[in-house]
Amino acid sequence: QVKLLQSGAALVKPGASVKMSCKASGYTFTDYWVSWVKQSHGKSLEWIGEIYPNSGATNFNEKFKGKATLTVDKSTSTAYMELSRLTSEDSAIYYCTRAEFGLDYWGQGVMVTVSS
Amino acid sequence: DTVLTQSPALAVSPGERVTISCRASESVSTGMHWYQQKPGQQPKLLIYGASNLESGVPARFSGSGSGTDFTLTIDPVEADDTATYFCQQSWNDPYTFGAGTKLELK
Repeated sequence: QVKLLQSGAALVKPGASVKMSCKASGYTFTDYWVSWVKQSHGKSLEWIGEIYPNSGATNFNEKFKGKATLTVDKSTSTAYMELSRLTSEDSAIYYCTRAEFGLDYWGQGVMVTVSS
Repeated sequence: DTVLTQSPALAVSPGERVTISCRASESVSTGMHWYQQKPGQQPKLLIYGASNLESGVPARFSGSGSGTDFTLTIDPVEADDTATYFCQQSWNDPYTFGAGTKLELK
């Protein structure tokens, strides 16, 4: 069955960076886009961007350009997102998702807390 | 960006029929999807392409609409349907989500 297993919660200092992972299993990793979604506490969802593992092609929400970097490791079927220059506004849960028609599978989410 | 507007909350009794609406600020054709999120869980895809039921989702859930006006219908509602429901469009860049409709059971 399709699974997206994300890395654990992170506590990071303002100004630092964080890199999280999303390991896919149960499907051909290179055949589907991987999207990343932000959910701030008690709030709605924001689409950050997406990456196509087969080619490494990316599309970003303008709001997150310069903030998020998306990469993949095809050998381990793992997608990565790095967030840079963190502020309190970046404290949130971040989900990786498989994108086909809609976002059909979601990871369990990574809680990122930015605090000194 | 395409703004998706949802009513904030609804309360219904088990067995009733409920419709949750989502209005887009510009046309999204049929590029509209619906998700259910329960507290402490990740969202779950219910409906894709405005009206297509995701595999494994009960047939009590259905979706309709095109262009700017969309609805998610649950008929009949069950106690387990207590959750927040989000619409999301993938027609215009960037993809956007509605603020969510919190469904409570009376």
